[in-house]
Amino acid sequence: ELKVEQNPLFLSMQEGKNYTIYCNYSTTSDRLYWYRQDPGKSLESLFVLLSNGAVKQEGRLMASLDTKARLSTLHITAAVHDLSATYFCAVDRAETSYDKVIFGPGTSLSVIP
Amino acid sequence: KAGVTQTPRYLIKTRGQQVTLSCSPISGHRSVSWYQQTPGQGLQFLFEYFSETQRNKGNFPGRFSGRQFSNSRSEMNVSTLELGDSALYLCASSSGTGATNEKLFFGSGTQLSVL
Repeated sequence: ELKVEQNPLFLSMQEGKNYTIYCNYSTTSDRLYWYRQDPGKSLESLFVLLSNGAVKQEGRLMASLDTKARLSTLHITAAVHDLSATYFCAVDRAETSYDKVIFGPGTSLSVIP
Repeated sequence: KAGVTQTPRYLIKTRGQQVTLSCSPISGHRSVSWYQQTPGQGLQFLFEYFSETQRNKGNFPGRFSGRQFSNSRSEMNVSTLELGDSALYLCASSSGTGATNEKLFFGSGTQLSVL
């Protein structure tokens, strides 16, 4: 069964702390995306990860990809309130044009001052 | 540069009707993809169009269809609406070339309510 799992699904953390969101997937992947969604808003693209060992960083967020383990992580460093949002990973499946993109359920992050 | 524009922003329909949603991509982008977001099913990929051709498709019934015009604008149509079609419909555009750092740019979405 095609699955993209995220954990945790809900995360409440204090400002200044570090934490990691995990994204596991069960299919081969061309690329993996991370998105952010604020309440009542659309999606914002954060990262595109293409190859094994890829690491990308922007501000307090860093994403990595391990294609052998079928695992991506989104690491939050020294969290601030503005990072409160729901974070989705999505897998763009290799070698198929059907059901090509599968999203994880999302991780709802709340950063408490 | 104008962003991705989706119209209408909100829509209320009744069961059995059909609906057409519109998406204007960022100028120069040739790929438009559509997504459905519901509280129960989460985010699901509907389809992607590139240069007026459907390139990829999600696991949705034939009631969901789309098309893309020569100016890259896209429309999505849902026929014989069901209550379960109530959702936020998002479209996204990109260059569609598969470049290394290619990102999707999303519109604000159309909130469809089926009564």
